[in-house]
Amino acid sequence: DGGITQSPKYLFRKEGQNVTLSCEQNLNHDAMYWYRQDPGQGLRLIYYSQIVNDFQKGDIAEGYSVSREKKESFPLTVTSAQKNPTAFYLCASSISSDRGLDSPLHFGNGTRLTVT
Amino acid sequence: KNEVEQSPQNLTAQEGEFITINCSYSVGISALHWLQQHPGGGIVSLFMLSSGKKKHGRLIATINIQEKHSSLHITASHPRDSAVYICAVNTDKLIFGTGTRLQVFP
Repeated sequence: DGGITQSPKYLFRKEGQNVTLSCEQNLNHDAMYWYRQDPGQGLRLIYYSQIVNDFQKGDIAEGYSVSREKKESFPLTVTSAQKNPTAFYLCASSISSDRGLDSPLHFGNGTRLTVT
Repeated sequence: KNEVEQSPQNLTAQEGEFITINCSYSVGISALHWLQQHPGGGIVSLFMLSSGKKKHGRLIATINIQEKHSSLHITASHPRDSAVYICAVNTDKLIFGTGTRLQVFP
């Protein structure tokens, strides 16, 4: 079955360490997205990519970095510069390259990152 | 004020009850999404609509563009419907509501 795989499901890191969250999709989707979810808030866009080797900052990109070397993969690195990294991170993809405006989003199951 | 407001924030129901979750927005949109987030955190897209009404099984979504309002209805609710339901609107980006937590008890 096609879908989006995020790993790991839970991740624990010490403050000051960079950490990379994995996101892989086999849906042949062009567009991929990273969202952050915090209690009591709506999902917020961190980065998105419309095509391989290209990506754009979202609303809260500071302290994060991404790469898109393959169509299937869109890893997110949470750097030590991110002030409040503890959160639930969701990866998504869509057929449309137009930031999901005209096609449904497919989500992974998320990674819960805890930084102490 | 948030651009997307959902109500209620929390909802409890007995199995079999008819459920309504509301979403109001203050911006111009091209479409609206209803999403379901399971207790484990994964999100499933339920509907994307830009006008009228859509139905899938026991779920019905309606939208009134003039009134900037959408509703998600669940008929004959079941404990497996327990989840967080999220409304998101398309402007030049997706703006998400904070979700409605639904618990259905047997």
